[in-house]
Amino acid sequence: AQSVAQPEDQVNVAEGNPLTVKCTYSVSGNPYLFWYVQYPNRGLQFLLKYITGDNLVKGSYGFEAEFNKSQTSFHLKKPSALVSDSALYFCAVRPSYSGAGSYQLTFGKGTKLSVIP
Amino acid sequence: EAGVAQSPRYKIIEKRQSVAFWCNPISGHATLYWYQQILGQGPKLLIQFQNNGVVDDSQLPKDRFSAERLKGVDSTLKIQPAKLEDSAVYLCASSLARGGLAGGINEQFFGPGTRLTVL
Repeated sequence: AQSVAQPEDQVNVAEGNPLTVKCTYSVSGNPYLFWYVQYPNRGLQFLLKYITGDNLVKGSYGFEAEFNKSQTSFHLKKPSALVSDSALYFCAVRPSYSGAGSYQLTFGKGTKLSVIP
Repeated sequence: EAGVAQSPRYKIIEKRQSVAFWCNPISGHATLYWYQQILGQGPKLLIQFQNNGVVDDSQLPKDRFSAERLKGVDSTLKIQPAKLEDSAVYLCASSLARGGLAGGINEQFFGPGTRLTVL
């Protein structure tokens, strides 16, 4: 069964500084990887995904993530944090093969990002 | 483009009562998902539909939870009877389906959720 670990419950960063939210995964075969963001009282919103190809994926709102197969990681990054980036961030994984149990997207427990003015 | 609609937004019930949640996905989205999100955890898939057929319900507690998507559009999730541990936010999501069931590479669009409190 696949799993996702987000080792930090909370990340604090000063506005204008670079931010990183960590994610490691476990899955059979090659992964499909996703980042979602959840703002207070709002549903989850898609940020970016890795399916295949370039290991550096660019997404919405200036976010990017780097897929590292050897370290089974998919860390979310942004060069310069904004106060409006403060939210709950979820990493998710599913296997790339088709078959029983492969369609399920498994989420991590989330990391709360606080950007301090 | 209208997003995923869910109702009600909040529900408080006593244990052993029944409750139902409704979801209307984005128009044209063939795949619909119901997730349970317990406080402090990530969403956990309960059931996934492709049109009106069930793709995955392996984590649905079938002794008390049921879901249907009769016409391949909107969906209802029911809990009967509810337990204290069912207190959570129930999220509905939808996505396009490309290449049949391999459409799982498409991003999911989530509704605002229904916050259920079981007393």
